[in-house]
Formats: sequence, C-alpha cells, structure tokens
Amino acid sequence: DVKVTQSSRYLVKRTGEKVFLECVQDMDHENMFWYRQDPGLGLRLIYFSYDVKMKEKGDIPEGYSVSREKKERFSLILESASTNQTSMYLCASSERGNTRTGANVLTFGAGSRLTVL
Amino acid sequence: DAKTTQPPSMDCAEGRAANLPCNHSTISGNEYVYWYRQIHSQGPQYIIHGLKNNETNEMASLIITEDRKSSTLILPHATLRDTAVYYCIVSRGNFNKFYFGSGTKLNVKP
Repeated sequence: DVKVTQSSRYLVKRTGEKVFLECVQDMDHENMFWYRQDPGLGLRLIYFSYDVKMKEKGDIPEGYSVSREKKERFSLILESASTNQTSMYLCASSERGNTRTGANVLTFGAGSRLTVL
Repeated sequence: DAKTTQPPSMDCAEGRAANLPCNHSTISGNEYVYWYRQIHSQGPQYIIHGLKNNETNEMASLIITEDRKSSTLILPHATLRDTAVYYCIVSRGNFNKFYFGSGTKLNVKP
C-alpha cells in the first residue's frame, strides 16, 4: 500500500530547541508539502517542494525551514522552537500533475503532533 | 487559487444521503474542485475531484453547477464512519498549492 510516513507521531520539545520533522513517501512523487493544523484555522501551508532541492513558501513560512535532498524525503525544521509552534504538522505528496487533465491529488501522512513547552 | 466557503457543520441521519455544499464563486477556468475529508486524529483523505462535469466514484458523487461557482459533495448512504471534517478545495493542480479552509464538520447520527 502506498504511503506517506511521518517519523514521529508525538513529540514534546522545549522552547529554543531545534526540531526536525521527517516525511518520507514511497510513491515517487515530485511534489511534497508541509501543513500545520490548528483548531478553528484548518490546514495552513508552510512550505512545498516540487523537485529535489526546490522549495517555495506557503502562507506561514516564518520560523520554519525545509530540506529536500532526496526525492522521497522532505524535512521540516524549526530552528528555535517556540510555544506558538505547538500544533499538528501534516506532510503530503502528489505527482507533478497529469499533463492531460491538469489535476493532481494529495496523499497525506498521519500527522505529527508537536508540543513545545 | 480561488477561495471556498463551506458551512461549519451539518447533521445527517445514518443511511440517508449527505449533501455538502461549497461555494467557489471566484473559480477560474482551469481550476479543479477537490474534496477531502479528515477523520479525527488522522491525515486528510482524498475523496473526489472534478473540473466541469459531474463525477462519481466508489466513495461519493460530485455535482458542479454549470457556472462552476458552486458544487455539492454527495455521500449516498451516510454511515457513522463518515463522521468527519470535509474540505472543499479549488486548485489548478500541477505545481500549485492546495489551500484548505476550515471545512464542514459532518455529524452522522444513528
């Protein structure tokens, strides 16, 4: 079964720590995404990547960086974690896009719930 | 990408059809309508998508109005396991971003 795997389901970190959230997909997808989800705010896009070493900012990139050194892996980095980064983080991937129909579909991981104390 | 508007919550009786509306009045010609759902504590799950024509798959049907300014997701026989938050998204696909709003919380009741 194809899947997107997020390395940690639950993490607890302290303010100021550097945090790595890892995401791996086994579908050979070109596009990968990081979202955060907070109550009442839905899913908000942090960063996405459409190719190895390529990245684009989403709506809320401040305080985050990303790394895509290999096609299957997309990492989200919190350089210095703060309490307002306590959230559920969701990784997703998709094909580059069906060049005939123009549509593509996201496949999500199960999520990583981060608590920053 | 076009913005979407959905009611915050809806109730549906088990076994009945659930009809979830979505407004996307600023949709452009090359933008698709996608529906996802998220069951508590899981990642969102793809349901269906369409451009102009109505679509049906094993999970649901998607009805898009002729002017494409709104759509309806239909779950023909809702079960308790369909209780979830349903998101309507409009996107051009390919390299474009997928923006999720707050969605509609569907409560399926016995």
